[in-house]
Amino acid sequence: SQQGEEDPQALSIQEGENATMNCSYKTSINNLQWYRQNSGRGLVHLILIRSNEREKHSGRLRVTLDTSKKSSSLLITASRAADTASYFCATDTGGGADGLTFGKGTHLIIQP
Amino acid sequence: DTAVSQTPKYLVTQMGNDKSIKCEQNLGHDTMYWYKQDSKKFLKIMFSYNNKELIINETVPNRFSPKSPDKAHLNLHINSLELGDSAVYFCASTQSGGKGEQFFGPGTRLTVL
Repeated sequence: SQQGEEDPQALSIQEGENATMNCSYKTSINNLQWYRQNSGRGLVHLILIRSNEREKHSGRLRVTLDTSKKSSSLLITASRAADTASYFCATDTGGGADGLTFGKGTHLIIQP
Repeated sequence: DTAVSQTPKYLVTQMGNDKSIKCEQNLGHDTMYWYKQDSKKFLKIMFSYNNKELIINETVPNRFSPKSPDKAHLNLHINSLELGDSAVYFCASTQSGGKGEQFFGPGTRLTVL
């Protein structure tokens, strides 16, 4: 079964607005991670939240995790044109040995 | 210096050929992975390799085989290429027992004609 379903699949907002992306997953996790992928490039790690954490901040990023609902959200505040990219959530269930299970991603477009 | 590098960046080949993609990481990590990203951008784990232990995703055809000459390298060999193998392949690495984040290479776009 597929872990990490993001919604929305695509999101277009004006520069300066906040962007919120959601992720749901199906099984127990060790941690949940968010990655960014610019067009034609590799993935860049943004933030990791462990299963015993509820919220985490890093710069303009805020991640929440609700293990009872098996869901997470990524908030990007004061968006910039450079934030245009695809964002993926990924779950780690085996402490790394099994690799990450990715969702289908949210394509975020920031309109200048 | 690039932390995780892959070669080649692009690979175009005919059906039935055998090809390899190389991956190197200079981060001193002990665990490496191969992921496949399809045309709809869906990423799926193919293999993880740690201390000579290989974990294979059961859905990966046995035409795919990873080979690790040393801790810094995990190459991907593909035999008898098929049209459906066309995708972008990403190598990644992490340190077991570390923070958990993975570092990805830039990807290799494989096109099978």
